[in-house]
Amino acid sequence: GENVEQHPSTLSVQEGDSAVIKCTYSDSASNYFPWYKQELGKRPQLIIDIRSNVGEKKDQRIAVTLNKTAKHFSLHITETQPEDSAVYFCAASSHFGNEKLTFGTGTRLTIIP
Amino acid sequence: SAVISQKPSRDICQRGTSLTIQCQVDSQVTMMFWYRQQPGQSLTLIATANQGSEATYESGFVIDKFPISRPNLTFSTLTVSNMSPEDSSIYLCSVPSRTGDEQFFGPGTRLTVL
Repeated sequence: GENVEQHPSTLSVQEGDSAVIKCTYSDSASNYFPWYKQELGKRPQLIIDIRSNVGEKKDQRIAVTLNKTAKHFSLHITETQPEDSAVYFCAASSHFGNEKLTFGTGTRLTIIP
Repeated sequence: SAVISQKPSRDICQRGTSLTIQCQVDSQVTMMFWYRQQPGQSLTLIATANQGSEATYESGFVIDKFPISRPNLTFSTLTVSNMSPEDSSIYLCSVPSRTGDEQFFGPGTRLTVL
């Protein structure tokens, strides 16, 4: 089955700087890679996703890149703000949202004011 | 995105008892997924709830411990049976979007077993 690794487990960044979180996956059949943000006591919220036919996707301060050959994808957050502090999870699926998600272990991002 | 509700939002239970968690969606969905999130950990899929057929369980999870019902396309239940403190977790249901492009989570049920 699919295995998703995520690094780093914790990340502290000065406000205004950029943050990068990296994930690798093992199953070449995976074609959908979402990122979820989970604030304390709340449900995971989908913040951005990318499909295997695209190399990069951007939404305001958030971007995701995908390297299918190397089987890794990354989340980039620019101009970080205190409200970006949360736990971020990457995931992989072989059939977009209609299939089970395999999650990475999570990254606790702390933005230092 | 679909509106997903879960009941109860939290509960404290005694070991050896069972708790049934409900997940209600405001639209019909083909698949519903049940995840477990242990304290400070990531999300792990328990099973996929299929309407009209038995749930499909992931490795390490069995029907006797986590029986699932899926009576229609908008509702599912997960029962945590014969609970022990190790079952203390957040249990979340999730569903695909209408287009099937994404997956969204319910608010979760925080279970504490004493």
